[in-house]
Amino acid sequence: SQQGEEDPQALSIQEGENATMNCSYKTSINNLQWYRQNSGRGLVHLILIRSNEREKHSGRLRVTLDTSKKSSSLLITASRAADTASYFCATAGGSYIPTFGRGTSLIVHP
Amino acid sequence: EAQVTQNPRYLITVTGKKLTVTCSQNMNHEYMSWYRQDPGLGLRQIYYSMNVEVTDKGDVPEGYKVSRKEKRNFPLILESPSPNQTSLYFCASSLRTYMNTEAFFGQGTRLTVV
Repeated sequence: SQQGEEDPQALSIQEGENATMNCSYKTSINNLQWYRQNSGRGLVHLILIRSNEREKHSGRLRVTLDTSKKSSSLLITASRAADTASYFCATAGGSYIPTFGRGTSLIVHP
Repeated sequence: EAQVTQNPRYLITVTGKKLTVTCSQNMNHEYMSWYRQDPGLGLRQIYYSMNVEVTDKGDVPEGYKVSRKEKRNFPLILESPSPNQTSLYFCASSLRTYMNTEAFFGQGTRLTVV
């Protein structure tokens, strides 16, 4: 069953703005990952945050994890048109098998 | 180059005609998985494999078979495809360790069953 659920389902912003998307999950996890998917293509791994970490950065990406609330957020700062894609969170629990949510569709207007 | 290769990329077939979608990875990963992606439903796991000769059902295994005879290959078999199996399929692999379960994805196979 799908573990993570992203929110919002769709997000439309202007270039230069920040984009924030959230992920909620139900059971305990070992780590949480964020992926990007350009239209019809394979998913690309962006960042992994472990259950004992609270925040992680990678370039313009900032991920937070709140295990008490079972939620994570992905912030993309100074967004670009090339950031237009769908973003998925994936959680991995005891079996380390990543389970994906339905994704957030981000459109960045030039 | 580290990669997951799926073939074919596009396939149109008729109901009931057996087909196989191949998946190969060159990273010596233990874990491999198949997903299908449908609008509004996200990625749903079909089958996964923890290692050679070890496979297990995911969330939507009905109508599919898999095998894992070698570490690098994990083919997806549709014995008798039906129109409701029209979908975008992805194969993924990862090195299954406690610290890192980053998954590498193939480019996808768009299957249409008429």
